[in-house]
Amino acid sequence: GNSVTQMEGPVTLSEEAFLTINCTYTATGYPSLFWYVQYPGEGLQLLLKATKADDKGSNKGFEATYRKETTSFHLEKGSVQVSDSAVYFCALSDPYSGAGSYQLTFGKGTKLSVIP
Amino acid sequence: DAMVIQNPRYQVTQFGKPVTLSCSQTLNHNVMYWYQQKSSQAPKLLFHYYDKDFNNEADTPDNFQSRRPNTSFCFLDIRSPGLGDAAMYLCATSRDQGQGYEQYFGPGTRLTVT
Repeated sequence: GNSVTQMEGPVTLSEEAFLTINCTYTATGYPSLFWYVQYPGEGLQLLLKATKADDKGSNKGFEATYRKETTSFHLEKGSVQVSDSAVYFCALSDPYSGAGSYQLTFGKGTKLSVIP
Repeated sequence: DAMVIQNPRYQVTQFGKPVTLSCSQTLNHNVMYWYQQKSSQAPKLLFHYYDKDFNNEADTPDNFQSRRPNTSFCFLDIRSPGLGDAAMYLCATSRDQGQGYEQYFGPGTRLTVT
């Protein structure tokens, strides 16, 4: 079945540091890949997505590239801010997985804390 | 702005007392989902509607029911809440199902069971 593995958190960084959150996946078909962000006490917001190999998703200074050869979708940001403190979820949607094709398969989430 | 709205944001209920959570959307999306998210965990899909077609996840307890009276509204009914049902409940929508259709989430309802 499908699965998503994220790096364990929590991650604590100083403001303006470089961020990488690793994400690898297992899928039966050709999934779409997503990063969602959840701020404290809020629902999930779509941060970025990529639907095919070598696509790069980007938003608000965050980037992730769909790497089919390494089955990865690592999230990066060059300079984090205190306001980026949140939980980040990597997810996939695999339309070729049959009955469950509508499902988002989530990683466990990585909590990021950015300190001034 | 088009959005997904959940009411109430915080709900307290007593053990065994039925409770209903509501979700509405102005996106005119075909698909609506209900997720349960416990502390420090990923969201877990409970069920979804594609238009009026209801799809239950195999491991969703019978205690959880859902209704979708029209395109815009969807309700989650918990018939007899237990202490283990305390969680954040997230509603989400997507325009369709398939490649690249992302889900849009509401802010969630935090359920406390006393």
